[in-house]
Amino acid sequence: KAGVTQTPRYLIKTRGQQVTLSCSPISGHRSVSWYQQTPGQGLQFLFEYFSETQRNKGNFPGRFSGRQFSNSRSEMNVSTLELGDSALYLCASSIGPTYPNYGYTFGSGTRLTVV
Amino acid sequence: KNEVEQSPQNLTAQEGEFITINCSYSVGISALHWLQQHPGGGIVSLFMLSSGKKKHGRLIATINIQEKHSSLHITASHPRDSAVYICAAMFNDMRFGAGTRLTVKP
Repeated sequence: KAGVTQTPRYLIKTRGQQVTLSCSPISGHRSVSWYQQTPGQGLQFLFEYFSETQRNKGNFPGRFSGRQFSNSRSEMNVSTLELGDSALYLCASSIGPTYPNYGYTFGSGTRLTVV
Repeated sequence: KNEVEQSPQNLTAQEGEFITINCSYSVGISALHWLQQHPGGGIVSLFMLSSGKKKHGRLIATINIQEKHSSLHITASHPRDSAVYICAAMFNDMRFGAGTRLTVKP
């Protein structure tokens, strides 16, 4: 079956612009979570959606937002881009929300460069 | 202070050696993941543990809930095992260790 699909794979944006990244989970998976990875901070949790509702949010400013659609696809948006937003953005899907017995499948990520 | 600590930060081994990577966390968790990340960024979830031990091929993961500690073992290491290994603890959200960069030389 198809894996987790993230689009686009690479993106270059200018400071001050906004960007929208997309994540299509594995068919049947209803939970999508987003992560930011930078060389300095490593992997950090952004937010998690389940059944179109945000369940958890990490410690990121309000410029970072997301949503989930009825087909479980999710988007994340970053407004007023800063140079420090340059990172690999990963999403992962699972059958259910953060629960001990559900495994996660990660997408290949979107590499965002802000210039 | 990071709530999830991993050691060692870097590890170089010869092919065939037994590898151990350690992960400790500060408070109670619901589960712990071991992830593998190859150059290029793709992440694979290796194990998710809430207790005991799991084995998949040459990989073994253990967790001790009382000691708040987990280990990832690789038996008979191979150059294709070279990657960054990351532990991730499930609190209300997922918190990550800094990763262990493993290089296995032929």
